[in-house]
Amino acid sequence: EAGVAQSPRYKIIEKRQSVAFWCNPISGHATLYWYQQILGQGPKLLIQFQNNGVVDDSQLPKDRFSAERLKGVDSTLKIQPAKLEDSAVYLCASSSGTSGRGNEQFFGPGTRLTVL
Amino acid sequence: GESVGLHLPTLSVQEGDNSIINCAYSNSASDYFIWYKQESGKGPQFIIDIRSNMDKRQGQRVTVLLNKTVKHLSLQIAATQPGDSAVYFCAESRPGDYKLSFGAGTTVTVRA
Repeated sequence: EAGVAQSPRYKIIEKRQSVAFWCNPISGHATLYWYQQILGQGPKLLIQFQNNGVVDDSQLPKDRFSAERLKGVDSTLKIQPAKLEDSAVYLCASSSGTSGRGNEQFFGPGTRLTVL
Repeated sequence: GESVGLHLPTLSVQEGDNSIINCAYSNSASDYFIWYKQESGKGPQFIIDIRSNMDKRQGQRVTVLLNKTVKHLSLQIAATQPGDSAVYFCAESRPGDYKLSFGAGTTVTVRA
């Protein structure tokens, strides 16, 4: 079974530039998550989709971050404009259930973003 | 602030010994807990979970213990192997909250 795919794996940009990340979840998984993982910290949930609808985006900095999941499959996360503090690994995860409780979240390898 | 935390950021273990990784949580309402393993350059991988109506759960070479009285969670790894070297995270959620909140992680290094 193919896992969660993410691209690119690495990205280096200058502050104030824009960047986009792509995620392809495990086939059939209705729920998709984007996490931000700053070096030395645990993942922090940015946004959760159920099919193509947003379930929770309360921790997404909406002035600069946006995400979409058209057709309820692939998803993109965009940052515009980027700040130095956005340097982190951006993880995508998917699960078959609607909740992280009792429904295993499968994580992709992440995209490491460096903002200079 | 974070609702879960780990006692030690790093742990060095001799190969073949048992490892114990600790986690403390602050919210007594938390009723679901998960341990994840994250190897360098990879995403977190599920290890084991436990609900608050249990105090112990065993998997393959791993055991999770939950002490609700002191709000403490631990992960025990039996006969630690070099492949167990990774960062380990505990995560929790509360009734009615589908989200997982992750702690900061413990880096486990296995010595040959």
